[in-house]
Amino acid sequence: GAVVSQHPSRVICKSGTSVKIECRSLDFQATTMFWYRQFPKQSLMLMATSNEGSKATYEQGVEKDKFLINHASLTLSTLTVTSAHPEDSSFYICSAGGTGATEAFFGQGTRLTVV
Amino acid sequence: QKEVEQDPGPLSVPEGAIVSLNCTYSNSAFQYFMWYRQYSRKGPELLMYTYSSGNKEDGRFTAQVDKSSKYISLFIRDSQPSDSATYLCAMRNTGRRALTFGSGTRLQVQP
Repeated sequence: GAVVSQHPSRVICKSGTSVKIECRSLDFQATTMFWYRQFPKQSLMLMATSNEGSKATYEQGVEKDKFLINHASLTLSTLTVTSAHPEDSSFYICSAGGTGATEAFFGQGTRLTVV
Repeated sequence: QKEVEQDPGPLSVPEGAIVSLNCTYSNSAFQYFMWYRQYSRKGPELLMYTYSSGNKEDGRFTAQVDKSSKYISLFIRDSQPSDSATYLCAMRNTGRRALTFGSGTRLQVQP
C-alpha cells in the first residue's frame, strides 16, 4: 500500500511554544490530506482537511488559528500547534489517499506532550 | 448518538479462535467501509476495504457489509497473538473523503 510518513513521532514542548508536525506522501501525490486527533482509548476525530494550494477546511469546534495547516505541495502537509497548552497533549495522525483513491493511508502518528 | 458505534472491548480469545468484530452505523449515505488495525501508539493500518454491501476475503480476514441493517463485521480466522491490537471500523460517503471512525475494539489473543 501507499506510504505516508509523519514526523516527529514524539515531541515534548513547553506550554506557550509552537510545534510543527509534518506529513509526507512518499510514493504518490496527495491533493488532499486529513488531520486527526486521538485521545487515549478513544477514536480518531477529524480536525481538518488539508487541500493542496488552498485553505484547509476545519471541523466544527477546531480553532483554525491554533491549528495552522499548510499544504504547499502534493506530497507535504504540515500542522502547527500554536501557543500549545497541556490540554493540547494528544496523538495527532495524518492520512492521505491520493487522487481518486478511496482508501486512506495513515502516518505513524505524533504524540505531543505539552508540559 | 454517535454515527458509528463499536464495542470497545477488551475482547480476549485463545489462540486459534475465530474473532468477530462489529460496528453499527446510522448514516445511510455511507458507501465505503474499512477496517483498520492499530497497535499501541502507532498510526492505523488498513486491513480491509469494501464498497457498498457484500463480503470480501483476504487471507485470514473476511469483511462483511449489510447496508440494509447498517451493520459491518470483520472476521479473523485462526487468530494469532500478533493479532492483538485495537481494531477500528471506518466509513465514509461518496461526497466526503474524510473517514468517520468507530471507537475501536481492543483484541487480546492469548497464546
